[in-house]
Amino acid sequence: NAGVTQTPKFQVLKTGQSMTLQCAQDMNHEYMSWYRQDPGMGLRLIHYSVGAGITDQGEVPNGYNVSRSTTEDFPLRLLSAAPSQTSVYFCASTREVDRGYTFGSGTRLTVV
Amino acid sequence: KNEVEQSPQNLTAQEGEFITINCSYSVGISALHWLQQHPGGGIVSLFMLSSGKKKHGRLIATINIQEKHSSLHITASHPRDSAVYICAVGVTSGSRLTFGEGTQLTVNP
Repeated sequence: NAGVTQTPKFQVLKTGQSMTLQCAQDMNHEYMSWYRQDPGMGLRLIHYSVGAGITDQGEVPNGYNVSRSTTEDFPLRLLSAAPSQTSVYFCASTREVDRGYTFGSGTRLTVV
Repeated sequence: KNEVEQSPQNLTAQEGEFITINCSYSVGISALHWLQQHPGGGIVSLFMLSSGKKKHGRLIATINIQEKHSSLHITASHPRDSAVYICAVGVTSGSRLTFGEGTQLTVNP
């Protein structure tokens, strides 16, 4: 089925470990973005991309890296995990910025 | 102050009631989105609107650009409508969404 696929669904990391959250879409959407969702707060933008080879920072980019080598994939890298990065992460994509968004199912990350 | 404010934060209703969730924003927007997040965590786009009103089944979304305000209405509410409803705006200055904190709706049978 067409959509946004996020992996893994759950992950536990130790402080200082690194990992990559995967996000892939098969709808040929140009715009992709990563958000984190924390209790009592709205989703917050981490990084976004307006097309292959182009990325930019959102509200809370520190501690995260992204790249966009293809239209389909937009991985999020945690360089050195910290407990403050415990959160639920969502990837989303859209064809154009003023179109409806499609969200992945989320990754629940716990850093201990 | 958040750029997007939703009210109420929590809402409990009886099955069949008419429900209204409000969203106010303070920035220039290109579009406003209403999203639904079910207890399992997945987020689904309900509406995207930049003016007027849209209807899909029992859901109605309206927006008043001059007042910077939008409402999501649910008619004849049902327990399966229980979810978190999130308002988000597409900011005119960039390619991103800014989100409200969400409204937790519980519909009791």
